Amino acid sequence: GDSVTQMEGPVTLSEEAFLTINCTYTATGYPSLFWYVQYPGEGLQLLLKATKADDKGSNKGFEATYRKETTSFHLEKGSVQVSDSAVYFCALSNAGGTSYGKLTFGQGTILTVHP
Amino acid sequence: DAGITQSPRHKVTETGTPVTLRCHQTENHRYMYWYRQDPGHGLRLIHYSYGVKDTDKGEVSDGYSVSRSKTEDFLLTLESATSSQTSVYFCAIRPRAGGSTGELFFGEGSRLTVL
Repeated sequence: GDSVTQMEGPVTLSEEAFLTINCTYTATGYPSLFWYVQYPGEGLQLLLKATKADDKGSNKGFEATYRKETTSFHLEKGSVQVSDSAVYFCALSNAGGTSYGKLTFGQGTILTVHP
Repeated sequence: DAGITQSPRHKVTETGTPVTLRCHQTENHRYMYWYRQDPGHGLRLIHYSYGVKDTDKGEVSDGYSVSRSKTEDFLLTLESATSSQTSVYFCAIRPRAGGSTGELFFGEGSRLTVL
C-alpha cells in the first residue's frame, strides 16, 4: 500500500536558518503530494501541494518539488522565523480507483525555531 | 474555512464507557473522514464516508464505528473506550471534485482522554 516517510525530528533551528524536511513516498500510479502544517493547539492547514512530476508547490516562503525519479517531496525554506515553529506533515493522495480521496500521512516533524 | 465543526473539543472519560464524537459540515461535501493523531504515527485513517449511509474502514478501525444518516453529520463512536484510544481525533472533508486536487480540509480536533 501507499506510505510516506518523513525525516526524524524534532528539528531545532535558529531564526533565519535554512530549513529542509525530507519526505519520501511509496505509491502506485501518480499520486498528488501535500505538506500540511499544524500550529500549537490547532488543526491541520494545507501549506502547499503538487499534483504531477516536477511541479513545485510554494506558499509563505516554503517550497517543495515533486521528484518522481527519487519519489521525494522535500520541504524547504530559506530563512525560518519563530512563527514557523509547528508540526509539519507530508501526505499523499492517490485519487483514482477505490481510494475515495484518502490521504496517507507521514509521522510528522516537529520544528522549533529559536530567536 | 471549510465549515467543519467538531464536538466535543475536549472530553475525559473512563475505560469502558461509550463515547461519540460529532463532525458537522455546512457545505454539502460528499466525502468525510475521521483520523486520529498520535505522536510518532502522524495521522491515521479510522473510517471514511463517501455518501449518506456509505462508509468504510480505514487502517485503524478496530474499536470504532461510524454513522452518517445525513450529509452534514459524520459520527464516530467508541463503543467501550480503552486507554489506547486516548488521542486527538480529526474530522476532514474533501471538497467537491470540480477544481479539487485531492487535498482534504480538517476540523480543529477533539482531544479524548480515557482514564
